[in-house]
Amino acid sequence: NAGVTQTPKFQVLKTGQSMTLQCAQDMNHEYMSWYRQDPGMGLRLIHYSVGAGITDQGEVPNGYNVSRSTTEDFPLRLLSAAPSQTSVYFCASSRTGMGGMYNEQFFGPGTRLTVL
Amino acid sequence: AQTVTQSQPEMSVQEAETVTLSCTYDTSESNYYLFWYKQPPSRQMILVIRQEAYKQQNATENRFSVNFQKAAKSFSLKISDSQLGDTAMYFCAFCRSSGGYQKVTFGTGTKLQVIP
Repeated sequence: NAGVTQTPKFQVLKTGQSMTLQCAQDMNHEYMSWYRQDPGMGLRLIHYSVGAGITDQGEVPNGYNVSRSTTEDFPLRLLSAAPSQTSVYFCASSRTGMGGMYNEQFFGPGTRLTVL
Repeated sequence: AQTVTQSQPEMSVQEAETVTLSCTYDTSESNYYLFWYKQPPSRQMILVIRQEAYKQQNATENRFSVNFQKAAKSFSLKISDSQLGDTAMYFCAFCRSSGGYQKVTFGTGTKLQVIP
């Protein structure tokens, strides 16, 4: 199993450009999520999905779109990049919690995005 | 809303010594999970240890152990016999299960440097 993969590893954008960060997992996990990591702020949830066709907003969703057409893939779209979106982005996946049980989240290697 | 506080932005420890990283959290939930994640310079997020709130016994994983004080809402991580490979950012995280999915809140992290 490759686990959770993310592409690209690094990206530089100009303000106003759009792009898609790719995330894929091969563990048949229902739950997938996107976080951004900024210095001194930990990881903050952007969007998440509990299955194909189902997405919802997290803590910091503005400026980002997601869709989930398959179980495996969960792309994150930046519609019009802004310098405030300079960050490291992590995708994670897990089984959904049943009956209050926790299932470990597996993280991708991250994408470092710089917006000039 | 849940909050997770890590009051030590940076710490250092001599190789082979013991170090304790602190974490406090705020919640009105009675059933939840707590975690410590390690993020080495490679950026990969690695689960170090987890604790179920309904378990009174403190979790232990080899050289890593926690001191879970539910009433005080405290969840510290003890690393014994510190090794150079323990140098990393450490994130405390709180997780509750809601509607079949897990909502995770991360602290801001503690940067640990192990000194040879």
